[in-house]
Amino acid sequence: KAGVTQTPRYLIKTRGQQVTLSCSPISGHRSVSWYQQTPGQGLQFLFEYFSETQRNKGNFPGRFSGRQFSNSRSEMNVSTLELGDSALYLCASSLVGKLHSYNSPLHFGNGTRLTVT
Amino acid sequence: DQQVKQNSPSLSVQEGRISILNCDYTNSMFDYFLWYKKYPAEGPTFLISISSIKDKNEDGRFTVFLNKSAKHLSLHIVPSQPGDSAVYFCAANQGGKLIFGQGTELSVKP
Repeated sequence: KAGVTQTPRYLIKTRGQQVTLSCSPISGHRSVSWYQQTPGQGLQFLFEYFSETQRNKGNFPGRFSGRQFSNSRSEMNVSTLELGDSALYLCASSLVGKLHSYNSPLHFGNGTRLTVT
Repeated sequence: DQQVKQNSPSLSVQEGRISILNCDYTNSMFDYFLWYKKYPAEGPTFLISISSIKDKNEDGRFTVFLNKSAKHLSLHIVPSQPGDSAVYFCAANQGGKLIFGQGTELSVKP
């Protein structure tokens, strides 16, 4: 069974631009979450989608947005990029609707490394 | 303020010995805890989890202990192997999102 797939793996953008990252969850997984990892802040929750609806949101500005499609694939978008947005963006999927139930942990992809110059 | 803390940024252990990674949390409402392992240039890999109604969960060489009164959990790896060298994150579930610690880098020396 294929794992969580994120594209692209690496991305370089300049300040002010926007970027779209893509995530394909594990087949059958309906919940998709996004996390940002930086050396200073660690792993921080961005948002979570289930059945095309945003179910949970972290403390990030409105420049960060996402969506989920009917096939559970998800995209996140960052507009008006800032230098501080440089990070590893991780997508994770989960099998069942009840998040983090005992038998349904998050499974992460290998991330998209975004560099903003 | 950090709700989940891993106070040791690094840990070095001899192959075959026990590795003990620690994690403290502040929010007594957390109901589910997880440990992830991360290699460079890869995403975190789920290792083991524990519900707040339990105090121990074991899976092969990995055991997680939860002390709710102390708001403390630990991951024991026995015996440690060089392939266990990685960064380990503990995480707590808060209303459907995971709150991660800062990670502990484990180095297992042959």
